[in-house]
Amino acid sequence: GAVVSQHPSWVICKSGTSVKIECRSLDFQATTMFWYRQFPKQSLMLMATSNEGSKATYEQGVEKDKFLINHASLTLSTLTVTSAHPEDSSFYICSALAGVETQYFGPGTRLLVL
Amino acid sequence: GESVGLHLPTLSVQEGDNSIINCAYSNSASDYFIWYKQESGKGPQFIIDIRSNMDKRQGQRVTVLLNKTVKHLSLQIAATQPGDSAVYFCAESFSGGYNKLIFGAGTRLAVHP
Repeated sequence: GAVVSQHPSWVICKSGTSVKIECRSLDFQATTMFWYRQFPKQSLMLMATSNEGSKATYEQGVEKDKFLINHASLTLSTLTVTSAHPEDSSFYICSALAGVETQYFGPGTRLLVL
Repeated sequence: GESVGLHLPTLSVQEGDNSIINCAYSNSASDYFIWYKQESGKGPQFIIDIRSNMDKRQGQRVTVLLNKTVKHLSLQIAATQPGDSAVYFCAESFSGGYNKLIFGAGTRLAVHP
């Protein structure tokens, strides 16, 4: 089956610093990847759609200058949380689109901003 | 509209019983639906999907039912096992929606021995 990895699996950082999260499709190519955020006991909320070779498309209310997305290759998308603050602490999950519509999800990255 | 969960309802079942998890979806134009299982601290895992031209689809120990009239989706798990304990989410998308998934609020399934 299609496998998606994320790195790191968890990260703790100081307020004001930037954190980069990687999402990789290991055994397939994905022109489209998605980034989600999930707060405790809540559902997944789509943050943005990452398209290989073009700018990401952000959902309403998501600050594109704060959550920088780069999709430089067919197997890698990165999410950078810039100037992180405690309210950015969350579980960040990516997915990669395999084929026409099937999304495979990564294991998630837990971010804690102190 | 989007479905945002502020709390997770819990379904408690005995091991061996059948479980039924329900979901009300939001967009009448949605034509593709998926059920995901999420264990604590992990990403969602695909369980089963169904398109809007179908009412029922079966997998191994799981069945998904779709009622488009009332915008309702259900997941039936036969002979529920302790390993089925997790949070279950339904998700919807529609053609022309750029493959975006809208997730439901989720239901926690607790299986007791």
